[in-house]
Amino acid sequence: NAGVTQTPKFQVLKTGQSMTLQCAQDMNHNSMYWYRQDPGMGLRLIYYSASEGTTDKGEVPNGYNVSRLNKREFSLRLESAAPSQTSVYFCASSWTETLNEQFFGPGTRLTVL
Amino acid sequence: GDSVTQMEGPVTLSEEAFLTINCTYTATGYPSLFWYVQYPGEGLQLLLKATKADDKGSNKGFEATYRKETTSFHLEKGSVQVSDSAVYFCALSDRDRGSNYKLTFGKGTLLTVNP
Repeated sequence: NAGVTQTPKFQVLKTGQSMTLQCAQDMNHNSMYWYRQDPGMGLRLIYYSASEGTTDKGEVPNGYNVSRLNKREFSLRLESAAPSQTSVYFCASSWTETLNEQFFGPGTRLTVL
Repeated sequence: GDSVTQMEGPVTLSEEAFLTINCTYTATGYPSLFWYVQYPGEGLQLLLKATKADDKGSNKGFEATYRKETTSFHLEKGSVQVSDSAVYFCALSDRDRGSNYKLTFGKGTLLTVNP
């Protein structure tokens, strides 16, 4: 089992460019999450999907969109990247959204120039 | 809203020293509490958890007790090793207004253990 995988690992964008971060899990989990990690800020939830077919905003959703493509895959899209979106992005999954352990991917380090 | 406050780092210890990382929380409901660890260049891993008051979570020599009266979940280890060098995050899971569970993280504490 690969667990939670994310692609790419690193990305550099220019302001205004768009890109999609990919996430997949092979644990048959129902819930999936996108976080961003910034120095001194901990992790902040961007969007989550409690189950296939549903998505909801988290704490910092502005500038992002998500797609729960199927049970395994949950992508995060930046339509017009801004320097404020320079961060490390983590995808996570859990069996359900209720109190269960979240399993994290290795992260994508994104720099927006 | 919910929040988690943990001691600011960095924390630097010598091998075999005693470790305490303080964590306090505010929550509207009855949260579950977690400690996650992030090793350099990796994602977060669950270290231990406690789901109700007075529960003690433990793993790999680390312990934390859910103290409802002091709203705390301090992480302790009796004898740290160089391999424990990492960033440690305290977190809580609680229902939001929409009855959805969310994880709220502290800002993280960097621990460096020197040989």
